[in-house]
Amino acid sequence: DVVMTQTPVSLSLAIGQPASISCKSSQSLLGTSGKTFLNWILQRPGQSPKRLIYQVSKLYSEVPDRFSGSGSETEFTLKISRVEAEDLGVYYCWQGTHFPLTFGSGTKLEIK
Amino acid sequence: QVQLKESGPGLVQPSETLSLTCTVSGFSLTSYSVSWVRQPSGKGPEWMGRMWYDGDTAYNSALKSRLSISRDTSKNQVFLKMNSLQTDDTGTYYCTRDLGLSYWGQGVMVTVSS
Repeated sequence: DVVMTQTPVSLSLAIGQPASISCKSSQSLLGTSGKTFLNWILQRPGQSPKRLIYQVSKLYSEVPDRFSGSGSETEFTLKISRVEAEDLGVYYCWQGTHFPLTFGSGTKLEIK
Repeated sequence: QVQLKESGPGLVQPSETLSLTCTVSGFSLTSYSVSWVRQPSGKGPEWMGRMWYDGDTAYNSALKSRLSISRDTSKNQVFLKMNSLQTDDTGTYYCTRDLGLSYWGQGVMVTVSS
């Protein structure tokens, strides 16, 4: 199975500060279709996960543009240009290129 | 709008079988796949398996021997059955829509305990 490794484990940031989360995979996530199925979700406290980014860098329509995703092959990054209070929670990367789908262990974002 | 809702027992005895139902609305099961994902408390999610839009299934090999996913399209429902439950099967179970897992249900908490 593809192992997804996220760093850091946690972040404590003030509102307005930038955030960066790294996600590394044990195998290339570039699929035979030429697409890379690396995605990000956010789980706010007490809630189910919500979609954020798909195929490395594509934001879902409801996601603010302060979020961005980048990377290729085995190394990926989620960035928040300016953290807001509603951004707190646990961020997970997950891959859909190889079966079984696998998730990272999460990065907890706390607001100072 | 797209909705998924999980239902099932909150408590299961060790060695018994878990049966969960995912009831969907706002889309057709013959057009979108539905996956089951579980999450132990305080840990990352684990993909369990998928019901494809055409009725085919795919399972996580780690669970395949214990897991069965089926559906009733007339009732807009997808079912999960997993046997031989142990305490480490405790967690929240979610159903999610499509290959991008773009919509999630609220989840159902399952505790395996005697």
